[in-house]
Amino acid sequence: DVQLVESGGGLEKPGGSLRLSCKVSGLSFSTAWMSWVRQSPGKGLECVGLIRSQNNGGTIDYGAPVKGRFTISRDDSISTLYLQMNSLKIEDTGIYYCTTDVGSIWTPFWGQGALVAVSS
Amino acid sequence: DVVLTQSPLSLPVTLGQPASFSCRSSQSLTHSDGNTYLSWFQLRPGQCPRRLIYRVSNRDSGVPDRFSGSGSGTDFTLKISRVEAEDVGIYYCMQGTHWPPGYTFGQGTTLEIK
Repeated sequence: DVQLVESGGGLEKPGGSLRLSCKVSGLSFSTAWMSWVRQSPGKGLECVGLIRSQNNGGTIDYGAPVKGRFTISRDDSISTLYLQMNSLKIEDTGIYYCTTDVGSIWTPFWGQGALVAVSS
Repeated sequence: DVVLTQSPLSLPVTLGQPASFSCRSSQSLTHSDGNTYLSWFQLRPGQCPRRLIYRVSNRDSGVPDRFSGSGSGTDFTLKISRVEAEDVGIYYCMQGTHWPPGYTFGQGTTLEIK
């Protein structure tokens, strides 16, 4: 079975940092394009970013609200996806989902979600 | 940047009746490769999002056939032929044609039972 297990969420103050991890099993992680999608009360669903597989250049695209503050990376040797979140803002509060490429022709797999709360 | 506008924002429907969701794009979503990268997602209370439809009209694995997608260019529709209680939630359209800005969601339509 395919599993995506996220960790690393929590409460942080504005301006602080958090790092999310997503451990993937049951699929060929090294060839998978991966997304981070967040759900927030005020803005609904937003794509935080997409990272392509290394054999497709490993390029990364970020959503405008997080560009320059968030960094997506992957370690194919341990099938893990990361989201480094710096300079956190209150509006970054939400549930962050690790997912296989939401735009692919293949049905996306989703993690259980990691709660991120930014508050002073 | 491309903007997706969904309507209505709230959709009360009687069980067993059809439901129709609209998604309009500020730019054509037909890609130069000939494909149209418009998807529909469902967000049920307490659950993670689920994609229902990709490339306008293709149902994802496990999605009941009462869900269907149609449209072209800038106007798209998701239809539920007969609403069931488990369909309650928020429905989002998403485009993947224009990069930047990349995957962009509409603001969502909330389906509720009348």
